[in-house]
Amino acid sequence: DQQVKQNSPSLSVQEGRISILNCDYTNSMFDYFLWYKKYPAEGPTFLISISSIKDKNEDGRFTVFLNKSAKHLSLHIVPSQPGDSAVYFCAASSNGNNRKLIWGLGTSLAVNP
Amino acid sequence: NAGVTQTPKFRILKIGQSMTLQCAQDMNHNYMYWYRQDPGMGLKLIYYSVGAGITDKGEVPNGYNVSRSTTEDFPLRLELAAPSQTSVYFCASSGDRVVLLGEKLFFGSGTQLSVL
Repeated sequence: DQQVKQNSPSLSVQEGRISILNCDYTNSMFDYFLWYKKYPAEGPTFLISISSIKDKNEDGRFTVFLNKSAKHLSLHIVPSQPGDSAVYFCAASSNGNNRKLIWGLGTSLAVNP
Repeated sequence: NAGVTQTPKFRILKIGQSMTLQCAQDMNHNYMYWYRQDPGMGLKLIYYSVGAGITDKGEVPNGYNVSRSTTEDFPLRLELAAPSQTSVYFCASSGDRVVLLGEKLFFGSGTQLSVL
């Protein structure tokens, strides 16, 4: 049973436009959420995170929004750049699972020049 | 600063062979992890360690063994390799579980393993 779901396997946007990547979760005990970015032949790298006590966290062009009632979070990239083309993973953790991360399947983002 | 270093980058094994995937980190992190990523799938935790001499199973430990004799090294051993173990393996480390704030993992670049 997939506790962290990224229902869009891929997304294509034009350079300069907004990219919105979505993530849904089923476990209400999750209280910390992270986004990782992965380029081919490299390991994932941490991008941005959000605690369940917040509903928004911003870091430069990247903003993560959390809607706890809907068990939904989204990553906004504005403006999108070709270098943002990568696979984006959503991950969640809770005290109940000893803070081990539960990962989504990833969304492949292509930013077209 | 090298971060997390994994070797080898690629390996082909025959069914029944054994091998060790090496992982080393130079950030003095207490926590280390082994993940596998199958095509089109998310990362699955194989084993993790919270410090030298302490290891524990993750979601998919069967067919693997680990040891943590030093803070820096966390090798993953495959005994009797099977085709189901064909995957990309990632080692990661983190400095602190940071219970209230979650974890930030630093990953190696991965080992592509094929078992034929």
